[in-house]
Amino acid sequence: DVKVTQSSRYLVKRTGEKVFLECVQDMDHENMFWYRQDPGLGLRLIYFSYDVKMKEKGDIPEGYSVSREKKERFSLILESASTNQTSMYLCASSFRSDVDTQYFGPGTRLTVL
Amino acid sequence: GQNIDQPTEMTATEGAIVQINCTYQTSGFNGLFWYQQHAGEAPTFLSYNVLDGLEEKGRFSSFLSRSKGYSYLLLKELQMKDSASYLCAVRDSNYQLIWGAGTKLIIKP
Repeated sequence: DVKVTQSSRYLVKRTGEKVFLECVQDMDHENMFWYRQDPGLGLRLIYFSYDVKMKEKGDIPEGYSVSREKKERFSLILESASTNQTSMYLCASSFRSDVDTQYFGPGTRLTVL
Repeated sequence: GQNIDQPTEMTATEGAIVQINCTYQTSGFNGLFWYQQHAGEAPTFLSYNVLDGLEEKGRFSSFLSRSKGYSYLLLKELQMKDSASYLCAVRDSNYQLIWGAGTKLIIKP
């Protein structure tokens, strides 16, 4: 079974703090993704990575950065958290193939006060 | 722009059949996915369609018509555990997934 884990289920931070969200997958997947999920909206892609040390901007990268130093780990960084970044953050990974099914972690619900 | 439309919420009765529709307008098409997401949990993969027609997997089936930009997810013999949100996603010409907002399915006894 594919396992994608995220460092925290719930996180509360203050405006201006630097926030690190960690994601680890154990299936040797090349591709990793960070999404945010807000009520009434579809999943929105923040950043993705197709390989170690490689990153690509998604649809809403502003205010975020990422790091992928090892194949199994993909970190999302909020440089200076703001209240509009309060959201559910979902990490996903996939094996590069025709189907490319994404497997998701349990999510981190981040609240920025 | 790219757009995926699904009903926001549907209600059905235990043991019945329900069809959840998804229409899409995307720049290119490289497959359509359905995911199930229980409240507070991660989305989990249900089905993938890239050719027109019906794909059946146990109680769940998914249909695709590329010419109409339309798909549906059919759930038979509904069980209480099927109460969840169902997410439709289309992979566009850049191989990026475009996600619908999801359909919340409520099952009543």
